[in-house]
Amino acid sequence: KAGVTQTPRYLIKTRGQQVTLSCSPISGHRSVSWYQQTPGQGLQFLFEYFSETQRNKGNFPGRFSGRQFSNSRSEMNVSTLELGDSALYLCASSSTGTAVETQYFGPGTRLLVL
Amino acid sequence: AQSVTQLGSHVSVSEGALVLLRCNYSSSVPPYLFWYVQYPNQGLQLLLKYTSAATLVKGINGFEAEFKKSETSFHLTKPSAHMSDAAEYFCVLTGGFKTIFGAGTRLFVKA
Repeated sequence: KAGVTQTPRYLIKTRGQQVTLSCSPISGHRSVSWYQQTPGQGLQFLFEYFSETQRNKGNFPGRFSGRQFSNSRSEMNVSTLELGDSALYLCASSSTGTAVETQYFGPGTRLLVL
Repeated sequence: AQSVTQLGSHVSVSEGALVLLRCNYSSSVPPYLFWYVQYPNQGLQLLLKYTSAATLVKGINGFEAEFKKSETSFHLTKPSAHMSDAAEYFCVLTGGFKTIFGAGTRLFVKA
């Protein structure tokens, strides 16, 4: 099976712009979670989608949003970018998103905000 | 409240020496615990997980971890370090629809 893919891998934006990141889960997986990884804050949970519905959300401002399509692919959007949004954004998929399941991570999208 | 604490942001061992990475957790619900490894510029890869079936869990690449409820710990060990083990390791707690990552421990392996 192909793994989790994320596009683009690298991105440079300027403050105030918006950005959309894409994640394609492993075939058959219906749960997709997004994480932000920074040197200062470590790995933080953004949100989780299952069957096109957001089931869980972390503690991030409303500038961070996401969606999931009927084929389980997911996108996350960050509007009005700030310097502090520079990070590695990881997406992970699992079959149904239960606590006991392994999450399979993509390689991440590295976002640099100038 | 749930939390994960990894003791030591950096651990350095010699090649062939024992690897011990410490993880303590706090959870108000039965926890599921995972260890993931992250190599530079890559995503996270599962090493092993505890799902209440057995307290001693064996994973990939010779790693294992023991769940100790009385000590609220889930330490990761490997008898003999290899250069290829140099990476960052994350202890992860799930339960109650939350996924909580430890701060990570970067493992250095000296030749």
